[in-house]
Amino acid sequence: QVQLVQSGAEVKKPGASVKVSCKASGYTFTSYGISWVRQAPGQGLEWMGWISAYNGNTNYAQKLQGRVTMTTDTSTSTAYMELRSLRSDDTAVYYCARVEEPLLDYWGQGTLVTVSS
Amino acid sequence: SYELTQPPSVSVSPGQTARITCSGDALPKKYAYWYQQKSGQAPVLVIYEDSKRPSGIPERFSGSSSGTMATLTISGAQVEDEADYYCYSTDSSGNHLFGGGTKLTVL
Repeated sequence: QVQLVQSGAEVKKPGASVKVSCKASGYTFTSYGISWVRQAPGQGLEWMGWISAYNGNTNYAQKLQGRVTMTTDTSTSTAYMELRSLRSDDTAVYYCARVEEPLLDYWGQGTLVTVSS
Repeated sequence: SYELTQPPSVSVSPGQTARITCSGDALPKKYAYWYQQKSGQAPVLVIYEDSKRPSGIPERFSGSSSGTMATLTISGAQVEDEADYYCYSTDSSGNHLFGGGTKLTVL
């Protein structure tokens, strides 16, 4: 069965960076992409971008351009999302999801990132 | 910028039909997708490509789209259907976005 298992919760100071991982299993990793979606406390879902696990092509949300980098390691079927220059409003649960563009069909369990001084 | 607009809340009694709408200018040309999110859990896909239901999703969930509006219908809503529901789509520029979400109350 398809599973996406994310790394654990993080606490970061403003200005720092965070890197969240998402390990996939149960399917051929390079046949799909991985999308990242975040959800601030009590708020709705926000699409951050996606990466093709086949060729590494990316498409980032305009508001995050320059601060976010998505990568994959096909040898371990793992996707990564790095967010830099963290601010308090980056505090959120970050989800990865399998993508058959644009469909997000399977989701990880979520990773809470807290940005606080 | 492109937006998908949903009502903040919908309330029905158990066994009634719940309809949640999603309005967006690109919907005549782009598919709508619907996700259910229960408190503290990751979203779950309930409808894809306007009206298709993934395996394992109860038949009471259905979707439709006409013009600039997509609709998620839950026929005979159950207490366990109480959740937040999000529509999701794209626009012609490659932007992907979610609607603001609709809180469904069944009581």
